[in-house]
Amino acid sequence: AQTVTQSQPEMSVQEAETVTLSCTYDTSESDYYLFWYKQPPSRQMILVIRQEAYKQQNATENRFSVNFQKAAKSFSLKISDSQLGDAAMYFCALSEYGNKLVFGAGTILRVKS
Amino acid sequence: GAGVSQTPSNKVTEKGKYVELRCDPISGHTALYWYRQSLGQGPEFLIYFQGTGAADDSGLPNDRFFAVRPEGSVSTLKIQRTERGDSAVYLCASSHRDWIDTQYFGPGTRLTVL
Repeated sequence: AQTVTQSQPEMSVQEAETVTLSCTYDTSESDYYLFWYKQPPSRQMILVIRQEAYKQQNATENRFSVNFQKAAKSFSLKISDSQLGDAAMYFCALSEYGNKLVFGAGTILRVKS
Repeated sequence: GAGVSQTPSNKVTEKGKYVELRCDPISGHTALYWYRQSLGQGPEFLIYFQGTGAADDSGLPNDRFFAVRPEGSVSTLKIQRTERGDSAVYLCASSHRDWIDTQYFGPGTRLTVL
């Protein structure tokens, strides 16, 4: 069964600094997709970044990048130059053949000014 | 529309009542998903539609929950004989075709069962 684990319930970062959110997962498939979603208090789940398992190159989107370690089944999110607007709940999610997304429990990110 | 929309935004009902939650996906998206998010937890899968048919309903918790998508666009999640444990945020998402496409989420409906 596919599982996603986020071991950090809460993280804090100073504005303009860098923070890394951790995620590990388990799957028996070789082809799958990994995602980081951001959920602010408005509840709207917003896609931050997506990684295809068959690609060795780590995905990047502006200030957001991932460290994808397929053998270790690890998928961490690095946020550079943190901004106040980055404060939110962040979810790691896994999708393998069958369409459902499996989410971790989330990490609350607080940004200090 | 520009994104996935869900109505109502909030719904308060009494135990035992029937409720309907609506999802309007992004135009042209054939895949539609329902998730349930309890307080402080990640969303949990309920059901997936491909077109008009439910391709995977393995996440529906019991037979009080039912969902339809009669014309392959708007979907309605129906909950009969609501229980206090059904209180949660119900999220809808759509994607262009299938599992390789990114799912885009709506703002959710917060259901409170008194």
